[in-house]
Amino acid sequence: QVQLQQWGAGLLKPSETLSLTCAVYGGSFSGYYWSWIRQPPGKGLEWIGEISHSGSTNYNPSLEGRVTISVDTSKNQFSLKLSSVTAADTAVYYCADDRNWGQGTLVTVSS
Amino acid sequence: DIQMTQSPSSLSASVGDRVTITCRASQGISNYLAWFQQKPGKAPKSLIYAASSLRSGVPSRFSGSGSGTDFTLTISSLQPEDFATYYCLQYNTYPYSFGQGTKLEIK
Repeated sequence: QVQLQQWGAGLLKPSETLSLTCAVYGGSFSGYYWSWIRQPPGKGLEWIGEISHSGSTNYNPSLEGRVTISVDTSKNQFSLKLSSVTAADTAVYYCADDRNWGQGTLVTVSS
Repeated sequence: DIQMTQSPSSLSASVGDRVTITCRASQGISNYLAWFQQKPGKAPKSLIYAASSLRSGVPSRFSGSGSGTDFTLTISSLQPEDFATYYCLQYNTYPYSFGQGTKLEIK
């Protein structure tokens, strides 16, 4: 059974860079797309982007220019970086594949 | 971008009721539609993919249908554990997009 475990800093100041990593356990890393999704407090889900095991990416244009997703196949991990964060980026961030989700990380942006 | 519109936004129902949630895409997405269930403080759980395919381990009271622009999620007989928020997701066209959610509450 595939499990996704994520980690990263939970409190940032405006203009800093959000950085999260997700590790995939118990299944194949190849042949899949790995996604990041976020959910502002009390609101709905927003798709951020995805990466394949070979490094091909697709991003949400609403965040493009600030978002980078990368992959480390040697560790079965993928990562999210979001630069120049503001309070509007405060959300629970999830990593996911097509059926499994990480536990979520609350990232708060506050001065 | 494709807009996904769910209805209703909220719904009150009783245990044993049959409920239907609708998701409409702003343009055709074939059957590239998934449904998720989310309980407070938890990550979403995948219920259905490809509009009508039930994930392994999901109770058979859940079913999905539709193609093109109009989709439905039906719960045939509500159970206490089904009270949650439900989201649809289109994965036909980038950027992928979710519906705004339907909160299913106990009447």
